[in-house]
Amino acid sequence: DAMVIQNPRYQVTQFGKPVTLSCSQTLNHNVMYWYQQKSSQAPKLLFHYYDKDFNNEADTPDNFQSRRPNTSFCFLDIRSPGLGDAAMYLCATSRERGSTNIQYFGAGTRLSVL
Amino acid sequence: AQKVTQAQTEISVVEKEDVTLDCVYETRDTTYYLFWYKQPPSGELVFLIRRNSFDEQNEISGRYSWNFQKSTSSFNFTITASQVVDSAVYFCALSEPTGNQFYFGTGTSLTVIP
Repeated sequence: DAMVIQNPRYQVTQFGKPVTLSCSQTLNHNVMYWYQQKSSQAPKLLFHYYDKDFNNEADTPDNFQSRRPNTSFCFLDIRSPGLGDAAMYLCATSRERGSTNIQYFGAGTRLSVL
Repeated sequence: AQKVTQAQTEISVVEKEDVTLDCVYETRDTTYYLFWYKQPPSGELVFLIRRNSFDEQNEISGRYSWNFQKSTSSFNFTITASQVVDSAVYFCALSEPTGNQFYFGTGTSLTVIP
């Protein structure tokens, strides 16, 4: 059974139209991550939550925001998607922060921007 | 500077052949962790292995084996008797105690031809 679930699997939006991607987890992990992965590239960390503590990567555009209303759910909001934001968005969780922790990934949401 | 280098962008092998995926990393930390993940066409990153920097023993799990050599900063992954289901993109990643993210390599796309 999937432990990190992302909805939807495919999302199409229009240029400039806000979009929200969803992630939920059944692992009760403290940390949730959002990655952006463009075609043939490595995943790039956008931000993560440690419990309710939000941690933004320095180079993550302001256009990307996140919400974590409870332990199980985390949302990625793209306020004004541009063509360059078309990518696969991966959610991951880990029990704790730190280098020892394995990250468990969802299947991703592939975002298209028209 | 790239912390994790996967020089092989794409590899094709015929089913039942052995294949080795190379991974070279760079870090100044004495304690760190290395990971391999598999990303099949479905998109989900699947955890394969975690190895800490103090454990240089090679590991074998079924048809998979990993060769960790600190002297050459390499953590190579071998699939023995490859199968079509092994076709995927494989990512090597480094995690350092000073941060909270994975440094992914750019991935190696493996195609196993029946």
